[in-house]
Amino acid sequence: DAGVTQSPTHLIKTRGQHVTLRCSPISGHKSVSWYQQVLGQGPQFIFQYYEKEERGRGNFPDRFSARQFPNYSSELNVNALLLGDSALYLCASSLVQTQYFGPGTRLLVL
Amino acid sequence: SQQGEEDPQALSIQEGENATMNCSYKTSINNLQWYRQNSGRGLVHLILIRSNEREKHSGRLRVTLDTSKKSSSLLITASRAADTASYFCATDAGDTQGGSEKLVFGKGTKLTVNP
Repeated sequence: DAGVTQSPTHLIKTRGQHVTLRCSPISGHKSVSWYQQVLGQGPQFIFQYYEKEERGRGNFPDRFSARQFPNYSSELNVNALLLGDSALYLCASSLVQTQYFGPGTRLLVL
Repeated sequence: SQQGEEDPQALSIQEGENATMNCSYKTSINNLQWYRQNSGRGLVHLILIRSNEREKHSGRLRVTLDTSKKSSSLLITASRAADTASYFCATDAGDTQGGSEKLVFGKGTKLTVNP
């Protein structure tokens, strides 16, 4: 079975732009979570979606938004990008408790 | 804020030696998980230990959990160069608000296994 997939793998944007990151969960997993990992730190929780409904939100500004589609894939949107948004964005899917992570999207904001 | 704190921040050992990493956390938990990350790529799930378990094994990995001390340890026996990676503990922080499965990670331990 394929694992969690994310696209794109790398992305370069400039300040003020908007970005959309995509995630496809493991087949059969209905829950998708998003995390931000800046260099040298552990991942920080951004959102969790289950059955298309938001189940949790981390301490991130409203510039960050997400949604989940009927096929359980998900998008993370970030508006008005700041230099500090440069990070590895990780998506994870789960069935029960254990979260399985994708390879991440590395975003660089210049 | 980070819930877990791994110790040490960095560890360098020779192949064949054992590596022990520790994790402390602050609030009550339902379970604790350990993940491995190679060179800033995605995280690989290693093991999950529930709050009512004290020890768990998986291959060369041994995890212990002491809920009274709010701490966990990960032991990798007979280490290999391929074990070189960053290791993170993650707790669910007992968060049941809205059924969220939010994981709270520490900063990780960077393990280097020298051939």
